[in-house]
Amino acid sequence: RKEVEQDPGPFNVPEGATVAFNCTYSNSASQSFFWYRQDCRKEPKLLMSVYSSGNEDGRFTAQLNRASQYISLLIRDSKLSDSATYLCVVNLSGGYQKVTFGTGTKLQVIP
Amino acid sequence: GAGVSQSPSNKVTEKGKDVELRCDPISGHTALYWYRQSLGQGLEFLIYFQGNSAPDKSGLPSDRFSAERTGGSVSTLTIQRTQQEDSAVYLCASSLTMGPISGANVLTFGAGSRLTVL
Repeated sequence: RKEVEQDPGPFNVPEGATVAFNCTYSNSASQSFFWYRQDCRKEPKLLMSVYSSGNEDGRFTAQLNRASQYISLLIRDSKLSDSATYLCVVNLSGGYQKVTFGTGTKLQVIP
Repeated sequence: GAGVSQSPSNKVTEKGKDVELRCDPISGHTALYWYRQSLGQGLEFLIYFQGNSAPDKSGLPSDRFSAERTGGSVSTLTIQRTQQEDSAVYLCASSLTMGPISGANVLTFGAGSRLTVL
């Protein structure tokens, strides 16, 4: 089983739609979680951290479910500019900061 | 510097040649990572530095790959006797520190070095 798994997509959604992605992780000792966004031929950039109680940043909501070992990202009122690949990132514990990226979920927002 | 700086941004080389890729992390960031990304693929972890030491080299694909970091700052990734399968974007990232504190271990990436081996 991969340490971090994501549905690669693509998710094709119309403008204004709500879309959600999940990401599962295998190590229950994982300490911190993030969503990154990667545009085509660009480097990944931090979208938001994921906190235990869930957190929101504008149209974006991130949640963590430790019992089921997954994190989610919800995007409301999708914009064309949201089209990108969304990477789930998990920091594992174990003496040093091992950072594992999922392979990403591709989102295409259609006019 | 203000961000993570990588050079060269593009490198075209012939099979069998050696290449060096450089990463200059954000000032004060003690942790430094190298990843590789082939076209249309996810990020492949190569190596992690904490200061000048590399606790995890498990991602280096072969002994043709090596990396070092000096002065707790600049890192160089060296690929010897390059092969066509080495063609990819090599991404460097740095973070403030190690540990589970969310804010401290956010990675900031450089723009990458695109390597093409002919």
